[in-house]
Amino acid sequence: QKEVEQDPGPLSVPEGAIVSLNCTYSNSAFQYFMWYRQYSRKGPELLMYTYSSGNKEDGRFTAQVDKSSKYISLFIRDSQPSDSATYLCAMSARVAAGNKLTFGGGTRVLVKP
Amino acid sequence: GAVVSQHPSRVICKSGTSVKIECRSLDFQATTMFWYRQFPKQSLMLMATSNEGSKATYEQGVEKDKFLINHASLTLSTLTVTSAHPEDSSFYICSARTNNRDRGLYNEQFFGPGTRLTVL
Repeated sequence: QKEVEQDPGPLSVPEGAIVSLNCTYSNSAFQYFMWYRQYSRKGPELLMYTYSSGNKEDGRFTAQVDKSSKYISLFIRDSQPSDSATYLCAMSARVAAGNKLTFGGGTRVLVKP
Repeated sequence: GAVVSQHPSRVICKSGTSVKIECRSLDFQATTMFWYRQFPKQSLMLMATSNEGSKATYEQGVEKDKFLINHASLTLSTLTVTSAHPEDSSFYICSARTNNRDRGLYNEQFFGPGTRLTVL
């Protein structure tokens, strides 16, 4: 079993719909949770960063963390064709410059005009 | 945010040759740099972690003699794929992290744009 599980998709939605993404994990030591967006043949870019449980909102993006269920989510409101990309969740246990991230497999999202 | 660059963005080489990929943090000092590889439609797989001035730490299954990593300064790390073979063809991505709290960049990992390696 992988440490972080993520549905690979693809997830196809019409423009304007809400995109719902999630990851589950098994390591209870994870405390820092991130969502990255990766366009084809590009490096990942950080979208959201949350610590421990709770919600965080930034524009059209909302990240949720439920540590009791070991489950994290990312919601994209009013989706646009430009949101079409692969979304990767990532997490780590400690805050330290050398601490590595554990990534999910990524979910491909396609927003159709 | 902070900027990380990679060079070259794309390289095609013959089997048996060595290829060097550079990763630079342009506007911050990277205490730690990470090297990943990514196969098509798959996630990032961490290959190694390097700290400036010390030897890299390789993940299990990654051959350190084949993938040479040098983190010679706080802004530059290089990955050399030695005696490349077609199975080494992949997308290689670096990331950089700082322990400098002054710019509010602490503990965030910034990714480069990636290098696509094709070995013929």
